[in-house]
Amino acid sequence: GAVVSQHPSWVICKSGTSVKIECRSLDFQATTMFWYRQFPKQSLMLMATSNEGSKATYEQGVEKDKFLINHASLTLSTLTVTSAHPEDSSFYICSARDLGAPTNYGYTFGSGTRLTVV
Amino acid sequence: KQEVTQIPAALSVPEGENLVLNCSFTDSAIYNLQWFRQDPGKGLTSLLLIQSSQREQTSGRLNASLDKSSGRSTLYIAASQPGDSATYLCAAPGAGSYQLTFGKGTKLSVIP
Repeated sequence: GAVVSQHPSWVICKSGTSVKIECRSLDFQATTMFWYRQFPKQSLMLMATSNEGSKATYEQGVEKDKFLINHASLTLSTLTVTSAHPEDSSFYICSARDLGAPTNYGYTFGSGTRLTVV
Repeated sequence: KQEVTQIPAALSVPEGENLVLNCSFTDSAIYNLQWFRQDPGKGLTSLLLIQSSQREQTSGRLNASLDKSSGRSTLYIAASQPGDSATYLCAAPGAGSYQLTFGKGTKLSVIP
């Protein structure tokens, strides 16, 4: 089945530094990937839609200059949290859909990245 | 805009019981609906995907139903086991969209 690999699984960084999270589709191509954020005891909230070869689409309230998304190939999207602050500490998860699958096929999710900013 | 609600927020049952988790959604023009499992600090594992043309889907001890007209889906777990303890999330896209909207989940605890 479709597999999405996300790295790193956890990261601790100092306030003011930047962190890059990678999301790869291992056995399929994905023109579109989605980035979600999950705060403790909350559900997943869509942050942005990553489109291969074009600019990402951000949800309302998400700062595009802070959360930089690059979708340079059909199998890789990256999320960079710039100038991270403690309030950015969260669980970040990406997902993708297999292009070759029927239109009503489901999504595959990465294993998530736990970001802690100290 | 799609809204997804899950009831109950938490559920504790003794091992061996059958149980039902509920999910409701506001926009019924969906391609499909997906149920996921999330263990603490982990990503999401897809359990069942129900296509818009289907009424139910089964996998082992899990059975998910979909009633688009009423905007409801249920996840039935038979003969629950302690290993079933996790948070179960329901997710549906909006009309004409592939972007998923998630419910807040039901945290299930199966007591040995």
